[in-house]
Amino acid sequence: GAVVSQHPSWVICKSGTSVKIECRSLDFQATTMFWYRQFPKQSLMLMATSNEGSKATYEQGVEKDKFLINHASLTLSTLTVTSAHPEDSSFYICSAALAGLGELFFGEGSRLTVL
Amino acid sequence: GENVEQHPSTLSVQEGDSAVIKCTYSDSASNYFPWYKQELGKRPQLIIDIRSNVGEKKDQRIAVTLNKTAKHFSLHITETQPEDSAVYFCAANRGGYQKVTFGTGTKLQVIP
Repeated sequence: GAVVSQHPSWVICKSGTSVKIECRSLDFQATTMFWYRQFPKQSLMLMATSNEGSKATYEQGVEKDKFLINHASLTLSTLTVTSAHPEDSSFYICSAALAGLGELFFGEGSRLTVL
Repeated sequence: GENVEQHPSTLSVQEGDSAVIKCTYSDSASNYFPWYKQELGKRPQLIIDIRSNVGEKKDQRIAVTLNKTAKHFSLHITETQPEDSAVYFCAANRGGYQKVTFGTGTKLQVIP
């Protein structure tokens, strides 16, 4: 099956700093990737859809200036949490759709803790 | 947009019994319905999916049924085992590269 790799798997940062999370499709090209956020014991909430070579599409209520998404190549999308605050602490998961079939493959997830 | 509701939120069954999780969706254009299993701290893993052109699909102990008219679909796990304990999410989308909307999740506990 398709492999999506996410890095780092966990990160601790100080309030006010920025953190970048990478999502890579290892064995296929992903023109579209999705970024989800998951709070403890809750479902996956879509933050934005990342499209290669164009601007990301953000879900309602997600601050695009706070969560910067860049999809510069067919195998890499990045999420940058800018000026992070404790309320940004969460589990962030990326995913990519394979060959337009709808099936999503997820990265390992990145657990962000903002002190 | 799509809205997916999932029930129950928690489910406890004895080992060997069956477990059923139900979901409803709102977007009549949705045609792809995957189910994911997520263990604590891990990524969601696809366990089975169904497309709108079929009403039922089975893979060993796992089966999914779809009723497009009523806009609901269900996951059935038979002969449950302790390793089936996890959180299960249903989801729906229009296929292709469309975004996937997840249900609220069901925490399944299989008691040995």
